[in-house]
Amino acid sequence: SQTIHQWPATLVQPVGSPLSLECTVEGTSNPNLYWYRQAAGRGLQLLFYSVGIGQISSEVPQNLSASRPQDRQFILSSKKLLLSDSGFYLCALNEAFFGQGTRLTVV
Amino acid sequence: GENVEQHPSTLSVQEGDSAVIKCTYSDSASNYFPWYKQELGKGPQLIIDIRSNVGEKKDQRIAVTLNKTAKHFSLHITETQPEDSAVYFCAAISKAAGNKLTFGGGTRVLVKP
Repeated sequence: SQTIHQWPATLVQPVGSPLSLECTVEGTSNPNLYWYRQAAGRGLQLLFYSVGIGQISSEVPQNLSASRPQDRQFILSSKKLLLSDSGFYLCALNEAFFGQGTRLTVV
Repeated sequence: GENVEQHPSTLSVQEGDSAVIKCTYSDSASNYFPWYKQELGKGPQLIIDIRSNVGEKKDQRIAVTLNKTAKHFSLHITETQPEDSAVYFCAAISKAAGNKLTFGGGTRVLVKP
């Protein structure tokens, strides 16, 4: 069965520090992978999606980037975090499965 | 691109009553419509979905209907229970749009015991 792993669950980072959130999946090959951000009490905003290794599409201009170094690994990064990067970040697999999310607070 | 609107934004029902959430979409090429339930602090969980070649689908107490002509779809929860309290999201996906999910704004459902 397909599973998705996302970590850490919570993260507090200072402004200007780098970020790396990792998402890995199991039980599937060549999946579509997605990164979403959810502000408190709001809907989900698509940030990046990937249909294969090294293939990244960005939906909104922002302070973040994504990479897919392996078929089942999707990484969300930032070189310098902003206060506005705070939020709940979710990785998704093939439109159907979501990870448990990472709550990022930039202080 | 696709635009999905969801109503109501909040819904309070008495335990045992039914709850209905409605969504509309704009892209006629959309062909897959999932519904998600999100509990506090957790990721969304797929609870039911429907494809564009089907008008209605039911799974125990939840059902989804799709009207392609009008471009709207609805989630129905019958015999609501307190554990149904959560935020529910509808979404639409179109292969023509690169298999990207577009979400509605969410409905916060509160089931009062």
